[in-house]
Amino acid sequence: DIQMTQSPSTLSASVGDRVTITCRASQSISSWLAWYQQKPGKAPKLLIYKTSNLESGVPSRFSGSGSGAEFTLTISSLQPDDSATYYCQQYNSYPWTFGQGTTVEIK
Amino acid sequence: QLQLQESGPGLVKPSETLSLTCTVSGGSISSNIYYWDWIRQAPGKGLEWIGNVYHSGSTNYNPSLKSRVTISVDTSKNQFSLKLSSVTAADTAIYYCARYQCSSTTCNSFDYWGQGTLVTVSS
Repeated sequence: DIQMTQSPSTLSASVGDRVTITCRASQSISSWLAWYQQKPGKAPKLLIYKTSNLESGVPSRFSGSGSGAEFTLTISSLQPDDSATYYCQQYNSYPWTFGQGTTVEIK
Repeated sequence: QLQLQESGPGLVKPSETLSLTCTVSGGSISSNIYYWDWIRQAPGKGLEWIGNVYHSGSTNYNPSLKSRVTISVDTSKNQFSLKLSSVTAADTAIYYCARYQCSSTTCNSFDYWGQGTLVTVSS
C-alpha cells in the first residue's frame, strides 16, 4: 500500500494568513492526488483533484501543487470558515489511501 | 443534484454481518465514468477506503478487509451495497458511500459523498 503522510498534524493561524499543508507519498503517485476538507459531523468535501485542479464551487484561495511524491495544499488567505480537518488522498493505485489529516484552527 | 444516502442498522453484534445500502438519486449509477465506493472513519480517526463497485458488478477491495467484504450493485434500484462479515468493535465507524469519477480525460476521485451513517458493533 502507498502510505500518505501529512504535516503538520495541527496548525493554528490567524485570519488572513497564508497556510500550507504538505502531503508526502511513500512512492511516486504521478499527479493522482486529491485534497478534502472535513468539518465536524460532516462528510469530507472535495477541494482539489489531480494535484492542482479546483473542484467547482471551491473558493480560489485554495490551491494545490506538487508531483511525484510531494504535494502541498495552500490557503492563500485563511478565513474563519476554513477551520476544519484536511486530508490528502492518493488514487494512483489500489488500495486508495488517505493521509492522517491536518487540523487547521483559527487563532 | 446528485445525492447519496446510506441506510442500514446502526447497531450490529460482534461476529455478525454489517449490511449497508447506498441509494443514489439525481443521477444514474450505470454511467461509464463512475465507480461507487465505501469509505469508513472510526470515531475521532482518519479515513479508510473499503472498496468499490462498477455498474457492471466488477469490484475492488482494500486487501486489509478483502476477506470480509462484499460490495454489490443493483442498477434497477440505483443502489449499491456493502456487507462486512465477522465484525468486531474495531469495525465501529461512520460509513460513507461516495462516487468516484474517472473519465477518459481525467479522474476526480470522490466528488460526491453521502452524509455517513454510524455503525456501532456491540453486544
